[in-house]
Amino acid sequence: SQQGEEDPQALSIQEGENATMNCSYKTSINNLQWYRQNSGRGLVHLILIRSNEREKHSGRLRVTLDTSKKSSSLLITASRAADTASYFCATVLREGGSEKLVFGKGTKLTVNP
Amino acid sequence: KAGVTQTPRYLIKTRGQQVTLSCSPISGHRSVSWYQQTPGQGLQFLFEYFSETQRNKGNFPGRFSGRQFSNSRSEMNVSTLELGDSALYLCASSLAVSSSSGNTIYFGEGSWLTVV
Repeated sequence: SQQGEEDPQALSIQEGENATMNCSYKTSINNLQWYRQNSGRGLVHLILIRSNEREKHSGRLRVTLDTSKKSSSLLITASRAADTASYFCATVLREGGSEKLVFGKGTKLTVNP
Repeated sequence: KAGVTQTPRYLIKTRGQQVTLSCSPISGHRSVSWYQQTPGQGLQFLFEYFSETQRNKGNFPGRFSGRQFSNSRSEMNVSTLELGDSALYLCASSLAVSSSSGNTIYFGEGSWLTVV
């Protein structure tokens, strides 16, 4: 089962523009994480935001969290061609006595030079 | 220090065969999780081991199994391979159980499995 769902599924922008990706989730969370995956490679952790935080920054990344709407957004400012990748949000899902970190299907970002 | 290492990186198997994938976590990490990634289903959690014990399990058939050794290295096995098992299998390690609050997990580069 999917806990997080990213939107849009694909996004194409020009270098220098900002890119915004959204994530919605279903159950209450302690934190939400964002990961990046370059084509066919492993995932790289970008940022974690806790449920009591509303906004967090890391370099050109800005993450917001709205627990009332069960949604988060990832903003990449001044995008570069090297930002081309898929971006996933991840949350903990408690199901059937098991806890697991689950990922959405991702947003595929293409930054054109 | 070295990251998460997965072997082999690429392999091709025939339907009905079995396959074993290996994962060496970051030194000091005791949790190893496995994920299957396909274009259709995305990233799906397989199972997680912590200190040689399976802590969490996803919704996969019993053909998928795993284990963790005392040095935290982990293996996953898929028996009686089906065409639909073709996927990128990702291993991730962390200090604590992956669902622990604030815990960051680190991924390997994955093992590409093609079943023909």
